[in-house]
Amino acid sequence: KNEVEQSPQNLTAQEGEFITINCSYSVGISALHWLQQHPGGGIVSLFMLSSGKKKHGRLIATINIQEKHSSLHITASHPRDSAVYICAVEGSEGGLTFGKGTHLIIQP
Amino acid sequence: ETGVTQSPTHLIKTRGQQVTLRCSSQSGHNTVSWYQQALGQGPQFIFQYYREEENGRGNFPPRFSGLQFPNYSSELNVNALELDDSALYLCASSYLTHTDTQYFGPGTRLTVL
Repeated sequence: KNEVEQSPQNLTAQEGEFITINCSYSVGISALHWLQQHPGGGIVSLFMLSSGKKKHGRLIATINIQEKHSSLHITASHPRDSAVYICAVEGSEGGLTFGKGTHLIIQP
Repeated sequence: ETGVTQSPTHLIKTRGQQVTLRCSSQSGHNTVSWYQQALGQGPQFIFQYYREEENGRGNFPPRFSGLQFPNYSSELNVNALELDDSALYLCASSYLTHTDTQYFGPGTRLTVL
């Protein structure tokens, strides 16, 4: 069973700061997903990665398959980025295995 | 908006009862996965259906069962409800069973008293 560790668990930053959230997993995967969940809200997919790097607006996601590690970066952070960011991995057993999430608060 | 809907939004049941939760996937999405998210925890994989057949299952007992229909709707059934079944139940649809973007519904909040 894959173990997914995220860090930090909680992060408070000022508007405009560069944000990095890290994710490590223990077993080989077919893909890694970064997801966003607002309080009381549903989950939105941000990225799906099998290798390399993806960018969407102010969000950048990278993955190092050899090191079993991924990072999510937010540039020029804004209060509307406040949410829970979740790393989830796909293995051979089907479905996603989720990390516990990173609670991000961006203060104006 | 992900195009995935779930009903009902909230539900209250008592221990021992049975419940059916529903999910409507995006048109064309042959795969639906169900997850249980307890308060303050990350979602846990219950099972996945692909073209109306169960395609994978997490560590949940047989009283958790599902159905998927040709019209891209699906159901999660839970028998003999226990207090620990209280959670947010999420469905996620995709075209492929693996390595594909997941589109999550807003969830059904189940409370078991």
